[in-house]
Amino acid sequence: DAKTTQPNSMESNEEEPVHLPCNHSTISGTDYIHWYRQLPSQGPEYVIHGLTSNVNNRMASLAIAEDRKSSTLILHRATLRDAAVYYCILRESGGSNYKLTFGKGTLLTVNP
Amino acid sequence: DSGVTQTPKHLITATGQRVTLRCSPRSGDLSVYWYQQSLDQGLQFLIQYYNGEERAKGNILERFSAQQFPDLHSELNLSSLELGDSALYFCASSTQGGFRLDTQYFGPGTRLTVL
Repeated sequence: DAKTTQPNSMESNEEEPVHLPCNHSTISGTDYIHWYRQLPSQGPEYVIHGLTSNVNNRMASLAIAEDRKSSTLILHRATLRDAAVYYCILRESGGSNYKLTFGKGTLLTVNP
Repeated sequence: DSGVTQTPKHLITATGQRVTLRCSPRSGDLSVYWYQQSLDQGLQFLIQYYNGEERAKGNILERFSAQQFPDLHSELNLSSLELGDSALYFCASSTQGGFRLDTQYFGPGTRLTVL
């Protein structure tokens, strides 16, 4: 599986934007970049995914570098409910890649 | 609420015992995935079923087995339990068989404690 690198932890203040980085220098041309998050005492939940272009949804935005070797998940106004572990996951094309391969993720702390 | 249900929420048992964890996928989802989350290994994929058939296997021990029934609910059976099997077990479901854009929806998990 292609590898991603994320900071172990980040801190933010409530109502401020948060930029969570992810490096994936070995990404293949057709690999999709997915983000999931896991709130305390809950199962992971899908946040967003993208291929080449930047993506927006109601939860977040995903900015993908032009060379696709890195991406950034953007929470526009962090709330206390956004405190979670955020996982950046590459989903590889072809083969039988059915699983999600979780790394250690980034623990986001949101201060009131 | 993801729509995926798991029972029981908590399970405490002794070494050597056998337990069964149950998962009901979201309505309409054909795929069920099982993941184990422990402090030292993180979230690890165990096994996937699609419409009643095993589709993919991950780091699942031989002491563990799973099945998916005609009504699409799934059970994960863990036997000859060891202390190291203590973990959170998550079930996830998705609409299709694992296409790379197929979002997985996770249940709340079953916390297994082996004493």
